[in-house]
Amino acid sequence: GENVEQHPSTLSVQEGDSAVIKCTYSDSASNYFPWYKQELGKGPQLIIDIRSNVGEKKDQRIAVTLNKTAKHFSLHITETQPEDSAVYFCAASIGRDDKIIFGKGTRLHILP
Amino acid sequence: DVKVTQSSRYLVKRTGEKVFLECVQDMDHENMFWYRQDPGLGLRLIYFSYDVKMKEKGDIPEGYSVSREKKERFSLILESASTNQTSMYLCASSLYSDTEAFFGQGTRLTVV
Repeated sequence: GENVEQHPSTLSVQEGDSAVIKCTYSDSASNYFPWYKQELGKGPQLIIDIRSNVGEKKDQRIAVTLNKTAKHFSLHITETQPEDSAVYFCAASIGRDDKIIFGKGTRLHILP
Repeated sequence: DVKVTQSSRYLVKRTGEKVFLECVQDMDHENMFWYRQDPGLGLRLIYFSYDVKMKEKGDIPEGYSVSREKKERFSLILESASTNQTSMYLCASSLYSDTEAFFGQGTRLTVV
């Protein structure tokens, strides 16, 4: 079945610097790759997603890149701010009537 | 505003009890999911459903069952609760598995 590996498990960056979180997936049929942010006491919320027909997508300070050949996708956060501190999850899905599989999460700390 | 509502925020049950966790969504979504979240293990899929009365096992279905009698409601059942089922349980729904998933606020279950 599908497996999603996420690294690192914990990441600390200075406020204003960039943060990068990386994921790999196992099933080459996967075609949808969302990223979720979970703040304390809340359920995860979608922050950005990318489909397999696109190599990169950007939304303000957040960008996601996808390398289908290597089965890698990454989240990039630029100009980090204190409110970026949270747990981030990557995920992969094969299609319409199938499951979404999540990575184990990355706890991001933004240092003042 | 889209909404996924879980019936309880906190729950304490005794070993051997039958436990029902309820989840309701108001978005007319086809897919619904149950995950458990444990430190260091991320979000692990227990069961999912892509239609009324349909259910599929996720990665860790042992000790759990589910029910989806109506489109908007997806119930997770612990037939005989055990201490190793102490966890945070998250329900989610999505139109399809390759579209945004919306999460409930979670139910923290403690089995004593």
